Amino acid sequence: DGGITQSPKYLFRKEGQNVTLSCEQNLNHDAMYWYRQDPGQGLRLIYYSQIVNDFQKGDIAEGYSVSREKKESFPLTVTSAQKNPTAFYLCASSPPLTDSAQHFGDGTRLSIL
Amino acid sequence: GDSVTQMEGPVTLSEEAFLTINCTYTATGYPSLFWYVQYPGEGLQLLLKATKADDKGSNKGFEATYRKETTSFHLEKGSVQVSDSAVYFCALSDRDNAGNMLTFGGGTRLMVKP
Repeated sequence: DGGITQSPKYLFRKEGQNVTLSCEQNLNHDAMYWYRQDPGQGLRLIYYSQIVNDFQKGDIAEGYSVSREKKESFPLTVTSAQKNPTAFYLCASSPPLTDSAQHFGDGTRLSIL
Repeated sequence: GDSVTQMEGPVTLSEEAFLTINCTYTATGYPSLFWYVQYPGEGLQLLLKATKADDKGSNKGFEATYRKETTSFHLEKGSVQVSDSAVYFCALSDRDNAGNMLTFGGGTRLMVKP
C-alpha cells in the first residue's frame, strides 16, 4: 500500500544536540510538508517543498532545516537553535493538482531529555 | 491572509447524539475545503472535502456542505459513536496560492460517551 512513513515514532534530544526526523513517501507526490503540533493546538507549517532540490520556509522555520534530494524523502533536522523542540511533528505530501488533499504520516513525538 | 475558525472544544456528546462542528473561513481566492480527523497519537486522515460552492462532502456518516454565502463548512453527523472520539480539523486550500498549501483551524476535540 502507498503511504507516508515517519520514523522514529518517539525521539529524545539532549540539550545542544541536532536530531533528524525521517519522512518517506511512495505515493509519487511532488509536494511534501512538515508541520509542528503542540498539545491541544492546531498545525503550524515549518517547511515545504514542491519539487526536488527546492524548498521554502513556512511560518515557524527558525531552528529547523530540511533537504529534498529525492522525490521520496524530506528529512527534517531540529537544530540546537530550536529552544523549545518538544512537540509532535507531522509530515505530509500531496500531488500537484490544486484540489488534492494532503496525505499525512503517523508523526514523530520529540521530547527533551 | 487566509484563515479558518472552528468552534472550541471539547464537545462532549452521548452515543447516538447529533453532531455539529462549526467551521468558517476567510480566503482571498476560491478555496477547496477539507475536514481531517486525528485519533490519539496518530497523524491526520482526510475525512471529506468539497471543491466548489454547494458541494457536499460525505464519508462514514459525516457530511459538510460548502456554503459560499456564509463562508462556512460545518461538519455534521446524525448519530455519533464512541469510536468517533477524536480531534477534527477544518482546513482550506486556496487556489490562488501556489501548490496545495493548507490553512488549518485550531481543531475541535470530540468526546463521545457510551
